[in-house]
Amino acid sequence: GAVVSQHPSRVICKSGTSVKIECRSLDFQATTMFWYRQFPKQSLMLMATSNEGSKATYEQGVEKDKFLINHASLTLSTLTVTSAHPEDSSFYICSAKGEYGYTFGSGTRLTVV
Amino acid sequence: GQNIDQPTEMTATEGAIVQINCTYQTSGFNGLFWYQQHAGEAPTFLSYNVLDGLEEKGRFSSFLSRSKGYSYLLLKELQMKDSASYLCAVSGGYQKVTFGTGTKLQVIP
Repeated sequence: GAVVSQHPSRVICKSGTSVKIECRSLDFQATTMFWYRQFPKQSLMLMATSNEGSKATYEQGVEKDKFLINHASLTLSTLTVTSAHPEDSSFYICSAKGEYGYTFGSGTRLTVV
Repeated sequence: GQNIDQPTEMTATEGAIVQINCTYQTSGFNGLFWYQQHAGEAPTFLSYNVLDGLEEKGRFSSFLSRSKGYSYLLLKELQMKDSASYLCAVSGGYQKVTFGTGTKLQVIP
């Protein structure tokens, strides 16, 4: 079946630094990738949608300069949280849309200290 | 805009049947998903309904009525491991999948 690999699974960073999260579709080509954020006891909130080779579309209220998304190939998308602050601490999950539907990565637990 | 409603919490007994409802109002509709999510883990796919009616998959069934903007997930023969959050999600315009707030199900002995 379709597999999406997301790394790292957990990261702790200092306030003010940047963190990059990778999302790879291992056995299929992802025409579209989605990035979600989930705060404790809340549901997934869509942050942005990215298509290979084009700029990401951000949801209202999500700062594009803070959350940089790159979708350079049909199998790789990256989310970079720039100048991270404690309020950015959250669970970030990617989802890739391929031929057979949507597949989620395993998620990244980001803690900013 | 997108509006997806589901109950916040439910409790059911092991071996019983539970129905989790979801109502939605979205701009565009391509299909409705149900996902299961255990605490600290990514969601796992349960079902995807595009047409009206009931789709059965083992102990889990999902129903959709597009005219009513309504779906439910039916879990039979509940097991303790079914304790999790169940997320209703709608695929709408531009292939975006929007999630409801999720229903936390607790299965008790």
